[in-house]
Amino acid sequence: NAGVTQTPKFQVLKTGQSMTLQCAQDMNHNSMYWYRQDPGMGLRLIYYSASEGTTDKGEVPNGYNVSRLNKREFSLRLESAAPSQTSVYFCASTRLASGAGVYEQYFGPGTRLTVT
Amino acid sequence: KNEVEQSPQNLTAQEGEFITINCSYSVGISALHWLQQHPGGGIVSLFMLSSGKKKHGRLIATINIQEKHSSLHITASHPRDSAVYICAVIVQGAQKLVFGQGTRLTINP
Repeated sequence: NAGVTQTPKFQVLKTGQSMTLQCAQDMNHNSMYWYRQDPGMGLRLIYYSASEGTTDKGEVPNGYNVSRLNKREFSLRLESAAPSQTSVYFCASTRLASGAGVYEQYFGPGTRLTVT
Repeated sequence: KNEVEQSPQNLTAQEGEFITINCSYSVGISALHWLQQHPGGGIVSLFMLSSGKKKHGRLIATINIQEKHSSLHITASHPRDSAVYICAVIVQGAQKLVFGQGTRLTINP
């Protein structure tokens, strides 16, 4: 299994450009998440998808859109990039941990985005 | 005030020392994660626990649900343990993690 994969690994955008970050998991997980990580801020949830066909806003959704294309794929789109969106973006997915009823999360390798 | 607080924020120690990183939280949780992030690298889950204690090699994680506190211990620390350690809680009734700000650990040879 590849686990959680993300593309691209690095990206530089000019202010106002758009792009889509791709995420895929091959673990048959129901729930998928997009986080951003900024120095001194910790990880913050942008959007999540509890199951195929549903998406919900997280803590910092402004300036982003998401698509849960199918069970495997969850993409994050920046329609008009701003310097404040310079960050490292992580995708994650969860499965139900057996017996405990809680959720173990698996993270992708991250995408380092710079907006100039 | 953050729902998840870690201490210390930065920790530097010599190889071989016993390391403790603390995590306190203010919400009801169903479980707690300890995560490790190496410089320039991805995030790996070290432990997920909802009670008691877990041990993997030189790493030990404990949680006290009544006190809303967890600790991560590293015995016989090594320079390869240098990383950011992140505490994250699964809020009761939610499918989302809430993260601490991380503890940057540096182990000098």
